[in-house]
Amino acid sequence: AQSVTQLDSQVPVFEEAPVELRCNYSSSVSVYLFWYVQYPNQGLQLLLKYLSGSTLVKGINGFEAEFNKSQTSFHLRKPSVHISDTAEYFCAVSSDGSSNTGKLIFGQGTTLQVKP
Amino acid sequence: DSGVTQTPKHLITATGQRVTLRCSPRSGDLSVYWYQQSLDQGLQFLIQYYNGEERAKGNILERFSAQQFPDLHSELNLSSLELGDSALYFCASSTTGIGEQYFGPGTRLTVT
Repeated sequence: AQSVTQLDSQVPVFEEAPVELRCNYSSSVSVYLFWYVQYPNQGLQLLLKYLSGSTLVKGINGFEAEFNKSQTSFHLRKPSVHISDTAEYFCAVSSDGSSNTGKLIFGQGTTLQVKP
Repeated sequence: DSGVTQTPKHLITATGQRVTLRCSPRSGDLSVYWYQQSLDQGLQFLIQYYNGEERAKGNILERFSAQQFPDLHSELNLSSLELGDSALYFCASSTTGIGEQYFGPGTRLTVT
């Protein structure tokens, strides 16, 4: 079974400051890793993904994440946040096992609050 | 705009009733996933259909069922509704089958 833990439920930060949203996962098989963003009253949007290869992946809106297999982590970072980044961020995994269906297991979400 | 549509946007109904939520995937996507988002349970995978066939099942109650039609749209049926079924229900579609999914705007269900 897989599980995802987002270590912070809320992260307040001032505009133009750097931010890191932490995510740890647990799985007995290889996984694909994702970050999704949910803006208020909207559906989820894919921010970035790790499938294989380089452990540093870049996504939309200046976000990046680093896959660390030994620490089973996939932390999301942005060097300088904007007010418009205020949203709920979800870390998710899907299995790379033989029965992979692409279903996503989500963390509990981290609310990023960017203050002026 | 993800290209995934869901109707209705809001639904208010009473306990014991039955509702149907509808989802149209992105053009060309064969897989449809349903998720439930609630404050206490977070985002939970319910069920997946691929080209009309059930492919995977998650934490879906027996009172809930789904199907995918030949035109690839999907419906999620919720019956004998309880207060605890109040939630946001998302549909997502995919071509890759590895987790890269496109989400609809959701249907907010309120059971009174």
